[in-house]
Amino acid sequence: DTGVSQNPRHKITKRGQNVTFRCDPISEHNRLYWYRQTLGQGPEFLTYFQNEAQLEKSRLLSDRFSAERPKGSFSTLEIQRTEQGDSAMYLCASSLATAARIHEQYFGPGTRLTVT
Amino acid sequence: SQQGEEDPQALSIQEGENATMNCSYKTSINNLQWYRQNSGRGLVHLILIRSNEREKHSGRLRVTLDTSKKSSSLLITASRAADTASYFCATVLSGTYKYIFGTGTRLKVLA
Repeated sequence: DTGVSQNPRHKITKRGQNVTFRCDPISEHNRLYWYRQTLGQGPEFLTYFQNEAQLEKSRLLSDRFSAERPKGSFSTLEIQRTEQGDSAMYLCASSLATAARIHEQYFGPGTRLTVT
Repeated sequence: SQQGEEDPQALSIQEGENATMNCSYKTSINNLQWYRQNSGRGLVHLILIRSNEREKHSGRLRVTLDTSKKSSSLLITASRAADTASYFCATVLSGTYKYIFGTGTRLKVLA
C-alpha cells in the first residue's frame, strides 16, 4: 500500500500524559499537513511542512503541541500534558507541490485520540 | 476557525436523483477543492477547480465556482447509495498553501 499511513490508529490516554503520533506520507510528496477533526466538523488545519521545514502553524496549536519532520519524510505530532479537549481525530495528509500549482491532498486514516 | 460553510448541512435523496451542495467562503483563494469522507475510506479528494475556472466536470461530478460571490457548488448526478458520505469544500488561500475546510454536507442516498 503506497498511501498515507498513520500510527497508532487509536490512542486512549489519561489527562496530563504526553502522546506522539506518526505519519508516513506518500514517498515522493514534499508537503505534509496535520489536521484535527472533531465530530460533525471539517478538518481544522494545524500545521504543514515543505520537506523538513515547518512553514505555517495554526494559532490553534498551543505550546503543548509540536510537530517535526526531521528528514523530510515521516512526521510526528506530539501533544504534551493532554487535556480532555484534545480528544479528536488527528489527520495527516500529503501532497506534491510545485512552484506552478497546488495539488490535491491525500489523507491518511487518522489517529483517534481519547483523553480520559 | 473554518472559512467555508456548506449548505445544506444535511441532504437526503433517492437513488438516481441529483444532489447539489453549496460552499461559501470568505477570502481570496487560489483554488477550491471538494473532498468526500465516509467511515470506510476516510477523506478522499474529488475535484479541484482553480480560481480562474468557472466550471469543471469529472465523471458524475460537476463543480462551479463564482469568485465574485465567493461560492462554489458541487453537483452529483444520478446518485448511488455508495455516494452516501460527508462532502467538504476546502479552499487554498491566496499566497499560502494552507487548506481551510468547510463544515460539510452530510449526504444520504436512499436505495
